[in-house]
Amino acid sequence: SAVISQKPSRDICQRGTSLTIQCQVDSQVTMMFWYRQQPGQSLTLIATANQGSEATYESGFVIDKFPISRPNLTFSTLTVSNMSPEDSSIYLCSVLVPNPDEQYFGPGTRLTVT
Amino acid sequence: GENVEQHPSTLSVQEGDSAVIKCTYSDSASNYFPWYKQELGKGPQLIIDIRSNVGEKKDQRIAVTLNKTAKHFSLHITETQPEDSAVYFCAARSMNTGFQKLVFGTGTRLLVSP
Repeated sequence: SAVISQKPSRDICQRGTSLTIQCQVDSQVTMMFWYRQQPGQSLTLIATANQGSEATYESGFVIDKFPISRPNLTFSTLTVSNMSPEDSSIYLCSVLVPNPDEQYFGPGTRLTVT
Repeated sequence: GENVEQHPSTLSVQEGDSAVIKCTYSDSASNYFPWYKQELGKGPQLIIDIRSNVGEKKDQRIAVTLNKTAKHFSLHITETQPEDSAVYFCAARSMNTGFQKLVFGTGTRLLVSP
């Protein structure tokens, strides 16, 4: 398994500003993922972040809006840029632990944009 | 791409009853099927998973079954307890997706009444 922490746990931000969410895992992992979960909804993958390469974004998500950094095997950041109320969601970091390739989630960051 | 459908969307049972949640998937190349439990205000927690070379897996009060021919898998919870109340998500991972992406179902809200 893996222990994942996220900072901040929640935030209230003003429209037009940006927020950077940090994700720290207690072991080295190659693959990290960022998800968005809108209230009462399922999980939507934003991007896959492998250390040493550019993040791969899913359809509907772009790097200018959600830039991701992956400086090492235990850390990643997701920035939500130029926020609007539609960005109000829970943002979840997730990691793939090899052997046996199980995926674990962090506690989430609850973002409210006013 | 993969599509996962999940039923029911809500499920209410009495404590001690059994609960069954069903999912179907579309991609015959999918080979890994995890289940997550998400309590209010928390990130999804991996509770059990099954791989395509196995038909059933049990862990105490929970079990998962897989029918590859019909492309469906189910979560079974026996002797339900109030602490089982949560939202449950099924997911599927296809060998066709290079980045080992999980595709999630829409979730089932389980309410166990004392």
